[in-house]
Amino acid sequence: DTAVSQTPKYLVTQMGNDKSIKCEQNLGHDTMYWYKQDSKKFLKIMFSYNNKELIINETVPNRFSPKSPDKAHLNLHINSLELGDSAVYFCASRLVGEETQYFGPGTRLLVL
Amino acid sequence: EDQVTQSPEALRLQEGESSSLNCSYTVSGLRGLFWYRQDPGKGPEFLFTLYSAGEEKEKERLKATLTKKESFLHITAPKPEDSATYLCAVLYSNYKLTFGKGTLLTVNP
Repeated sequence: DTAVSQTPKYLVTQMGNDKSIKCEQNLGHDTMYWYKQDSKKFLKIMFSYNNKELIINETVPNRFSPKSPDKAHLNLHINSLELGDSAVYFCASRLVGEETQYFGPGTRLLVL
Repeated sequence: EDQVTQSPEALRLQEGESSSLNCSYTVSGLRGLFWYRQDPGKGPEFLFTLYSAGEEKEKERLKATLTKKESFLHITAPKPEDSATYLCAVLYSNYKLTFGKGTLLTVNP
């Protein structure tokens, strides 16, 4: 009965590589988010999609590109990975008209 | 810039020793205040949403309250399993959820 799921759970890669993280929710929500949690555990919003449309785009390097193929999925593609991209990336979702966001388990990215 | 400040950064309690965590926020455009619990290696788990000053919500040993400038998470007679990082987040009128840095709670048996 997983609500918000992310794959992979762990990702170790070399600088300069391109990688993708996937998120799926089975809650019937129509708004999804990507957050980054840095080494100091600070959670910060990156992107938000509503019904496949980008509605929040924070000051994130354009090496990061979100894609939402449908309401239940939001993927994050990262080009030319840098050391500073190492962090935990969380996906979240909510239903329009409700304020509460529900988070996935996170993807731990380590760039070497 | 909208800000959320949590205190203390870390709190160590003995089992059964009640205490409170604080979350203060800038006032303009508050749409809701949220408390989450985060265990090591896990995603934030939703606890409470508060919308207006004077509102209170309870769940087991936890009680969240909201005033015009801050929220408190009261923990009554905590148990070791209450050990976690507690995150406060505020939803402002721009619909962005702004998180505080969290309070790391450790409850010793």
